[in-house]
Amino acid sequence: DGGITQSPKYLFRKEGQNVTLSCEQNLNHDAMYWYRQDPGQGLRLIYYSQIVNDFQKGDIAEGYSVSREKKESFPLTVTSAQKNPTAFYLCASSIGGTGGAPELAGGITGELFFGEGSRLTVL
Amino acid sequence: QKEVEQNSGPLSVPEGAIASLNCTYSDRVSQSFFWYRQYSGKSPELIMSIYSNGDKEDGRFTAQLNKASQYVSLLIRDSQPSDSATYLCAVNGGYQKVTFGTGTKLQVIP
Repeated sequence: DGGITQSPKYLFRKEGQNVTLSCEQNLNHDAMYWYRQDPGQGLRLIYYSQIVNDFQKGDIAEGYSVSREKKESFPLTVTSAQKNPTAFYLCASSIGGTGGAPELAGGITGELFFGEGSRLTVL
Repeated sequence: QKEVEQNSGPLSVPEGAIASLNCTYSDRVSQSFFWYRQYSGKSPELIMSIYSNGDKEDGRFTAQLNKASQYVSLLIRDSQPSDSATYLCAVNGGYQKVTFGTGTKLQVIP
């Protein structure tokens, strides 16, 4: 089955520790995303990547880092510089596209498919 | 001004009624627009996509887009208790940056 796999589902971390959240997709999507969701809030964009070996900061990138060495993988590292890291982290992918018509052969650009999420708690 | 704005609700409707959810966005070059449903503790799931002005219907759901007024709406006909969830509006502002609103909580009363 095609989909997006996030791991771990639950993670506990001590203050001052870095932690890496895994995100793997087998949908052959070009674009991948990381969002953060706090209780009762919407999704805030951390980083996104339109293509392998390229990524852009989202609205709340401070204290986070990513890499995109493979099309299938987009890991997120929550560093000790992130002041309030306890949150629900969501990874998503999309067919991508670099502009032009919003509808492509594989779907609509920006149409996101999400993993089940990772809950990070800082103790 | 937030890029994508939604009323947080809760919006309460009786079972069988029409639920109307609204969203406005600030970036005029936005290309495509989405509605996601999120149950408590779960990840969002896509329910509607739209990129042309007008209405798009899929079963009990209708998405409406008005680019001149920069708003997108979602109508849910014959609302069911299982529709009770938070509905998130999302906008693809170009170059694949997808921004979400804070969501509207919908409660369908049996």
